[in-house]
Amino acid sequence: DTAVSQTPKYLVTQMGNDKSIKCEQNLGHDTMYWYKQDSKKFLKIMFSYNNKELIINETVPNRFSPKSPDKAHLNLHINSLELGDSAVYFCASSRRGFYGYTFGSGTRLTVV
Amino acid sequence: DAKTTQPTSMDCAEGRAANLPCNHSTISGNEYVYWYRQIHSQGPQYIIHGLKNNETNEMASLIITEDRKSSTLILPHATLRDTAVYYCIVRALNRDDKIIFGKGTRLHILP
Repeated sequence: DTAVSQTPKYLVTQMGNDKSIKCEQNLGHDTMYWYKQDSKKFLKIMFSYNNKELIINETVPNRFSPKSPDKAHLNLHINSLELGDSAVYFCASSRRGFYGYTFGSGTRLTVV
Repeated sequence: DAKTTQPTSMDCAEGRAANLPCNHSTISGNEYVYWYRQIHSQGPQYIIHGLKNNETNEMASLIITEDRKSSTLILPHATLRDTAVYYCIVRALNRDDKIIFGKGTRLHILP
C-alpha cells in the first residue's frame, strides 16, 4: 500500500538511552517532516527535509538528529532521552508546492 | 503561532451537515487555507484547501468569504466516524513552507 510508514509504533525506554524512529514514504514525495505531539495534543513541527536537504529546524535540542539517506526516508535519532521527550512523533511527506501533507500513524515514545 | 481562530468544540447530529468556522483575518494574498483533521490516536489527515474560490471534494466543501478573512468547512452528511479534531491552517508557499497547527475544533458527532 502507498503510505507513510513509521517504526516502531510504540517505544518505551529509560532515561539516558539513545533511540531511533524510522520513517519511509513510497508516495514519490520530495519533502518529509517530523512533528511532535505532546500530552496537551499540540502538534509542533520539528524538522523538514527536501530532497535530503535540511530545510526547517525548529528550535529543537541538538539531542535530536534527523537523517535522510534518500528522499524516501527520514529517520529521527534521539540521544540521552529525557522524560520530557515522551510524546507521539509523526512523520509526514508532501510534494513541494501547495499539496497536502500525508502523515504516518505516529510513534508513541514513553521515557521512564 | 497559528494565524487562525476556531471554536474549541462543536456538536453535530449524525446525518446532518457539520459546518466548522474559521477566522483568519490576517491572511496574506499568497496564503492558502487548509483543513486537516485528526481522529483519535491517528495521524492528521488532509481534507481540502483553497485560495479564494470555493472548493469541493469527496470529503468536504470549503467556503471562503470574498474578503478571505474567514472560511467554513462543510461535511455534508456527518457520520460517527467524522468525530475528530479539525484544524484550519493558513499556509504560504515558500522555501521554508511548513504547516503550523493550532488548537483546532473538537467535533463530536452525536448519534
